[in-house]
Amino acid sequence: SQQGEEDPQALSIQEGENATMNCSYKTSINNLQWYRQNSGRGLVHLILIRSNEREKHSGRLRVTLDTSKKSSSLLITASRAADTASYFCATDRGGSNYKLTFGKGTLLTVNP
Amino acid sequence: KAGVTQTPRYLIKTRGQQVTLSCSPISGHRSVSWYQQTPGQGLQFLFEYFSETQRNKGNFPGRFSGRQFSNSRSEMNVSTLELGDSALYLCASSLDSPQRNEQFFGPGTRLTVL
Repeated sequence: SQQGEEDPQALSIQEGENATMNCSYKTSINNLQWYRQNSGRGLVHLILIRSNEREKHSGRLRVTLDTSKKSSSLLITASRAADTASYFCATDRGGSNYKLTFGKGTLLTVNP
Repeated sequence: KAGVTQTPRYLIKTRGQQVTLSCSPISGHRSVSWYQQTPGQGLQFLFEYFSETQRNKGNFPGRFSGRQFSNSRSEMNVSTLELGDSALYLCASSLDSPQRNEQFFGPGTRLTVL
């Protein structure tokens, strides 16, 4: 079953605008990761945030985590056409269990 | 460092056949996981191997199996293929550390079952 649920399912913006995607999950987690996938290709790792962290930055990416609400958000600032892709959040429960549980993803379209 | 590699990239099989997919992890990574991605079910965990042992398993039938070799390379096998096995099969590797569980994915193998 899917633990993460991304919101919205699809997002269309203009180049230069910011894009915000949300992810909710159901059980306690150890880490939450965000991935990008260009059409039908492999997943590209974007950022990992641990359960004891609240915010993390990487370049134009900003991720927040609210464990009390079991939710995370991914903000892409100053978006580019090349950011067009599907974005997935994935959670793990830690320990020796390396299984990632993915949401269904948000399809982001950045129009030039 | 070279990334995760998967072979073949594309595969077409017919129902009832079997297939073997291969994954080479990033050098130094000893954990290898497999995922199936379909439009209907999304990304689903198949299994994870570490030191040639299956450490975690998802909810897939016994037709799906895998193994890992001493050099950490992994293969997965699907026997008696069904139409519903058509999917993108993704392999991911990671360091064996709960604190550093970034998983890095290969480009995937696109399997089509006719």
